[in-house]
Amino acid sequence: SQKIEQNSEALNIQEGKTATLTCNYTNYSPAYLQWYRQDPGRGPVFLLLIRENEKEKRKERLKVTFDTTLKQSLFHITASQPADSATYLCALGAGNTPLVFGKGTRLSVIA
Amino acid sequence: DARVTQTPRHKVTEMGQEVTMRCQPILGHNTVFWYRQTMMQGLELLAYFRNRAPLDDSGMPKDRFSAEMPDATLATLKIQPSEPRDSAVYFCASGPTLSDTQYFGPGTRLTVL
Repeated sequence: SQKIEQNSEALNIQEGKTATLTCNYTNYSPAYLQWYRQDPGRGPVFLLLIRENEKEKRKERLKVTFDTTLKQSLFHITASQPADSATYLCALGAGNTPLVFGKGTRLSVIA
Repeated sequence: DARVTQTPRHKVTEMGQEVTMRCQPILGHNTVFWYRQTMMQGLELLAYFRNRAPLDDSGMPKDRFSAEMPDATLATLKIQPSEPRDSAVYFCASGPTLSDTQYFGPGTRLTVL
């Protein structure tokens, strides 16, 4: 069955450093991958989408890579700030099927 | 700024009671999803609709859960009878298509005592 793993439940990082979150998947051939941010008490909010034929996507301090050979996506936040503290979810999509979400990684950026 | 709305935001009820959660999707989105989120399981897809027609509800317990879209501006999720294990946050999301970006509501935090 399809399986999505996000590298860890929680990640602590010092302010100013680059945070790197990992999303691995098995038994799936996604056409694209999305990353969402979720703050406590709120619903997930879409951040970035990357397609299978794209190696990298950037948006401000965010960078996403997608390696279909390794079956992995990396999500980077450069120059991290305490305001970046949240849970980040990856979601895989293919064809005419709904997204499949990972459980998320809770990021804490310490000042 | 268009957004998905959900009511109620919080619900505390006793075991055996009926619970109804409501969602207003973004106007123009033809796909609506219901999710349940817990610490243990993460975000679980319960059911989804396209153009108000249910496409798949295999993610929810059929004997107690039901999901409907009486019209394009309202989706409902009912639990009858509710059980303590149903305690979770329930999210509604809508999107332009089934596989597109999803826009989530603020969620309903349900506690069943």
